[in-house]
Amino acid sequence: GENVEQHPSTLSVQEGDSAVIKCTYSDSASNYFPWYKQELGKGPQLIIDIRSNVGEKKDQRIAVTLNKTAKHFSLHITETQPEDSAVYFCAAIYTGGFKTIFGAGTRLFVKA
Amino acid sequence: GAVVSQHPSWVICKSGTSVKIECRSLDFQATTMFWYRQFPKQSLMLMATSNEGSKATYEQGVEKDKFLINHASLTLSTLTVTSAHPEDSSFYICSARVPGSPLNEQFFGPGTRLTVL
Repeated sequence: GENVEQHPSTLSVQEGDSAVIKCTYSDSASNYFPWYKQELGKGPQLIIDIRSNVGEKKDQRIAVTLNKTAKHFSLHITETQPEDSAVYFCAAIYTGGFKTIFGAGTRLFVKA
Repeated sequence: GAVVSQHPSWVICKSGTSVKIECRSLDFQATTMFWYRQFPKQSLMLMATSNEGSKATYEQGVEKDKFLINHASLTLSTLTVTSAHPEDSSFYICSARVPGSPLNEQFFGPGTRLTVL
């Protein structure tokens, strides 16, 4: 079945450094890739997304890149801050269907 | 962005009792809502897809008689955990699909932590 692999499972960085989280999807029909941030005890919040017809998208300190040929997409956070500490989930969706396939999550720690 | 609420945010109940969790889309009408379950340090596991006015579609392995879903209006879906047991303790999260969105965007509620004693 469809799946999304996400790496690393845990990432610890110093404040101000960059953080990169990578995902690989299996369903070549997937054409929408959102990223969610989940803080402790809360629901996931959409932070950025990218469509399959775009290779890169940036929103302030956050950027996402997509390589459709390799079925890879990545989240890049620059100038990390302690409040960026959370669990991040990638997801892949085929917009002709309903199901969202989530990655296993990455726990990001930003040390002050 | 679209806002989804859940109630209650947490609940503690005795084994054998039933618990109802509500999911509401506050500023849009959602014909489709999703219910997820999340265990500690794990990803979200889709339990069922709730469609307004029709029966929910359950994922494989999810007992439909135990997890009753009702989507009676365009802004409200409810999940009832019947005869709850300690193994049902988990974080339950709903999401609502934005109607007409070509991307099938969905917005998540804040979650409900269920503890069954």
